[in-house]
Parts: sequence; structure tokens; C-alpha cells
Amino acid sequence: GDSVTQTEGLVTLTEGLPVMLNCTYQSTYSPFLFWYVQHLNEAPKLLLKSFTDNKRPEHQGFHATLHKSSSSFHLQKSSAQLSDSALYYCALDNNRIFFGDGTQLVVKP
Amino acid sequence: DPKIIQKPKYLVAVTGSEKILICEQYLGHNAMYWYRQSAKKPLEFMFSYSYQKLMDNQTASSRFQPQSSKKNHLDLQITALKPDDSATYFCASSQDLTGNYAEQFFGPGTRLTVL
Repeated sequence: GDSVTQTEGLVTLTEGLPVMLNCTYQSTYSPFLFWYVQHLNEAPKLLLKSFTDNKRPEHQGFHATLHKSSSSFHLQKSSAQLSDSALYYCALDNNRIFFGDGTQLVVKP
Repeated sequence: DPKIIQKPKYLVAVTGSEKILICEQYLGHNAMYWYRQSAKKPLEFMFSYSYQKLMDNQTASSRFQPQSSKKNHLDLQITALKPDDSATYFCASSQDLTGNYAEQFFGPGTRLTVL
């Protein structure tokens, strides 16, 4: 069946360092992939989504590249900011939405 | 103006009682959803509706019943409440159920505490 795997439950890093949050998926077809971000005491909201024409989506300094060969959609940012501290969900859409378990990102000064 | 309204924001209930969580969306979307978030499971898909029809149900318990009186309404009735039902319940909507327009827009959530 379809599924999304986020291997890290918690990622802690220092401000200014690069960010990479892992997301791999399993799907019988070519799904759409999404990243959602949830700040403390707020609702999840879309951060970025994959494009059908394989363009690399970018938003707020974050980007992700869909690699069909490795079934991955890792989230990256070149330099972490304190305000990036949040819970990040990778999600897959293939006739229904599948969310991963989420990765808590903590950015320290 | 908020595009997805959830009522109430906070809800305290006693074990065994029944509550209804309200959700209305003003985005003109065709699909609506319920999710649950607790410390045990970060974000758990419960139901999806498209054009007021139930499309997917991933909730094992029949104590949870979605109700759609209008296309932009999807309420959640919970009966025989248990302390384990304590969680934040998010309503969400999307233009379509799947594909490029399946981007989920989440409401602010209802935080339910069952004593």
C-alpha cells in the first residue's frame, strides 16, 4: 500500500547550518508530494508541493526535489533560522492523502 | 476573514457524553476532511468527503460520525466519549479530492479534553 516515511522524529541544529529533512514514499503510481509545516499551537499549512513538470518547488528558502528513482522528496534549506523551528510533515497524494509521522525541527542560537 | 471556521476552539467533556465539532469552509472547495492530532499520533487522517459524500474512513470506531448538511459544512459527532479521545481535531478542505488541487487547507482546530 501507499505510505510515507520520515525517518527522523527530531532534528536539532544550530542557526545558520543547512537543513535536510528526509522523506521517502511508497506508491503504486506517480503521486503528488507535499511538505506541510506546523508551528506551535497553530494548524498545519502547506509549505511546498511537487510539480508535474519536475520543477523544483521553493518557498521561504525551503526547496525539495522529487526523485522518482529513489522515491524521495527531501526538504532542504541552506541556512536554518530560529523561526524555522516547527513540526514538518511530508505527505503523498494518490487518490487519498497519506501523511508521514512528522519531523520536529528545533533550531538553536 | 477566516476561511475555515471550527467551533468551538476549546471543548471539555465528561466521559460517556456526546459532542459535535463544527466545521465550515468558505473557500469554495469540493472536498473536506477531519484529522486528529495527539501526543500519541502526530496527525491522523480520519475521514474525507467529496461533494458531501463519504469517500474514505480510516477511523476504526463508529463512535465518530461525520455529518455534512451542506457542501461547505462537515461536522464531527463523537459519542460515548473516552479520555483517549482527548486531542486536537482539525478540519481541512481542498479544491479536489486528489491530484494537483488536493492541497489541504486546515482550520484552526478544536482542542477536546475528555475528563
